[in-house]
Amino acid sequence: AQSVAQPEDQVKVAEGNPLTVKCTYSVSGNPYLFWYVQYPNRGLQFLLKYITGDNLVKGSYGFEAEFNKSQTSFHLKKPSALVSDSALYFCAVTRTGFQKLVFGTGTRLLVSP
Amino acid sequence: DAGVIQSPRHEVTEMGQEVTLRCKPISGHNSLFWYRQTMMRGLELLIYFNNNVPIDDSGMPEDRFSAKMPNASFSTLKIQPSEPRDSAVYFCASSLHGDNEQFFGPGTRLTVL
Repeated sequence: AQSVAQPEDQVKVAEGNPLTVKCTYSVSGNPYLFWYVQYPNRGLQFLLKYITGDNLVKGSYGFEAEFNKSQTSFHLKKPSALVSDSALYFCAVTRTGFQKLVFGTGTRLLVSP
Repeated sequence: DAGVIQSPRHEVTEMGQEVTLRCKPISGHNSLFWYRQTMMRGLELLIYFNNNVPIDDSGMPEDRFSAKMPNASFSTLKIQPSEPRDSAVYFCASSLHGDNEQFFGPGTRLTVL
């Protein structure tokens, strides 16, 4: 079975500071990992994914994520946060041959001016 | 491309009434997913289709819920009879079969009084 843990319900950072949103996963076999963002009253928007290859994945809006197989983690990062990054962030996992994504519970990112 | 289209965006109904939610996936996508999002339970996968065929409906809460996909460009999620605990935001998402990246619609906010 696949599972995702987002240990922080909320992350607060000041604008201009680096941000990290944590995600750990459990899956048998090779994982496919995703980050999505949800703004208020909107659907989820795809940010980035890791399938294979380079452990550092770059995505939309300056976000990146690092795949760490030994720690089974896929943390989302951004070097300099913007107030407009404030939103709900979801990590998701699946594996080869599976269509179904398993989502984490979400982490609310608050960026203060 | 207009993206995934859902209607209605908001629905308020009374307990016991039938509710039908509609989804039009992105043209060319052959996988379709229905999710429910609540504060208490987060994002839950209800059912998904590949090539109009239901593949996994294990997330459908009970017999009051049913979903159909009569053709590649349309799907419905029906609740009959509706109950207050069904109040949630329902999302539809689509993807290309074999590609795990899902594209979400804006959601339908359902309130059952």
